[in-house]
Amino acid sequence: KQEVTQIPAALSVPEGENLVLNCSFTDSAIYNLQWFRQDPGKGLTSLLLIQSSQREQTSGRLNASLDKSSGRSTLYIAASQPGDSATYLCAVLSGNTGKLIFGQGTTLQVKP
Amino acid sequence: NAGVTQTPKFRVLKTGQSMTLLCAQDMNHEYMYWYRQDPGMGLRLIHYSVGEGTTAKGEVPDGYNVSRLKKQNFLLGLESAAPSQTSVYFCASSYVTQETQYFGPGTRLLVL
Repeated sequence: KQEVTQIPAALSVPEGENLVLNCSFTDSAIYNLQWFRQDPGKGLTSLLLIQSSQREQTSGRLNASLDKSSGRSTLYIAASQPGDSATYLCAVLSGNTGKLIFGQGTTLQVKP
Repeated sequence: NAGVTQTPKFRVLKTGQSMTLLCAQDMNHEYMYWYRQDPGMGLRLIHYSVGEGTTAKGEVPDGYNVSRLKKQNFLLGLESAAPSQTSVYFCASSYVTQETQYFGPGTRLLVL
């Protein structure tokens, strides 16, 4: 059974720092891995999607990497801003029916 | 283009009452999903649909029923609400399984 773990559960950093969020999964047979952002009381917003054949994806200050063999993904946020404060969720697609398996999330606080 | 919308935003039910949550998408997506989000449990898939007229069980389907009579709508029903169904419910949709899932804003349900 696929399990997704995100460490740490919470992170607080000063504005301007570069930071890394971690995601690990137990079964390397995945179709893709997605990173989402969730603001308090809101829905999920897709940030990056990495297909199983890819090693990384970039969007603006965000860079996500995928290492299937080790069952790990990282989300790198450059030059963090207070507006980046949110919960970041990692999810893997293990089957071909669209069922995502989510991690518990990392809650990020960026202090001005 | 509204994306994915959910109705209602918030609802309080008494144990044993029934209700239907409505999800609508205007992106012509084939796939639609219902998740629930609980503290400490993360997001878990309840039911999903791979096209109009089809439904399938997810990870936690007990106590829920769904219908997909029209491509753009996916309904989640609670026949006899229980306090354990207190949660935030999210609907999502995608064009194909390996593409990004787009989430609605969520429905907060409290069962007393």
